[in-house]
Amino acid sequence: KAGVTQTPRYLIKTRGQQVTLSCSPISGHRSVSWYQQTPGQGLQFLFEYFSETQRNKGNFPGRFSGRQFSNSRSEMNVSTLELGDSALYLCASGYGQGEGYTFGSGTRLTVV
Amino acid sequence: SQQGEEDPQALSIQEGENATMNCSYKTSINNLQWYRQNSGRGLVHLILIRSNEREKHSGRLRVTLDTSKKSSSLLITASRAADTASYFCATDDGGATNKLIFGTGTLLAVQP
Repeated sequence: KAGVTQTPRYLIKTRGQQVTLSCSPISGHRSVSWYQQTPGQGLQFLFEYFSETQRNKGNFPGRFSGRQFSNSRSEMNVSTLELGDSALYLCASGYGQGEGYTFGSGTRLTVV
Repeated sequence: SQQGEEDPQALSIQEGENATMNCSYKTSINNLQWYRQNSGRGLVHLILIRSNEREKHSGRLRVTLDTSKKSSSLLITASRAADTASYFCATDDGGATNKLIFGTGTLLAVQP
């Protein structure tokens, strides 16, 4: 079966701009979570969506937002980009019942 | 920070040797998972162990869990050059959410 697809793979944006990242989960998976990975902070949870509802949110400012569509695809948006937002953004999909997750290859965002 | 700790931070071994990495976490958990990441790509789920389990095997992987010490270990036997990667433990937060709390990771280098 197809894996988790994240687009785009690489992105370069300027400070102050906004960006939208996309994640298509594995067919049948209704839970989509987003993580930010940086060398300094490691892997940090952003939020989780399940059946179009945000179930949990990490400790990130309101500039970070997301949504999930009826086909379980999810988007993550970051507004007013800062240099510190440069990171690898990873999407994970699962059945949402406390089992292992399948991660996408990530979107590497560079803010200049 | 809720983040777990892993040690060692880096490990270099020869092909055929065993590799052991340890993880400590801070809160009560429902389960603990181990993931592998190759060179800044997506995470690959390796194994999940539930809080009522003490040991689990999957191929060349052996995971132990000691909830009284809030620690886990991952043993990779007969390592191969292809096992070279970063390894992360991840726990839930002990509640009903699917948020994963990742450890700091161990970078394993297997020399051919």
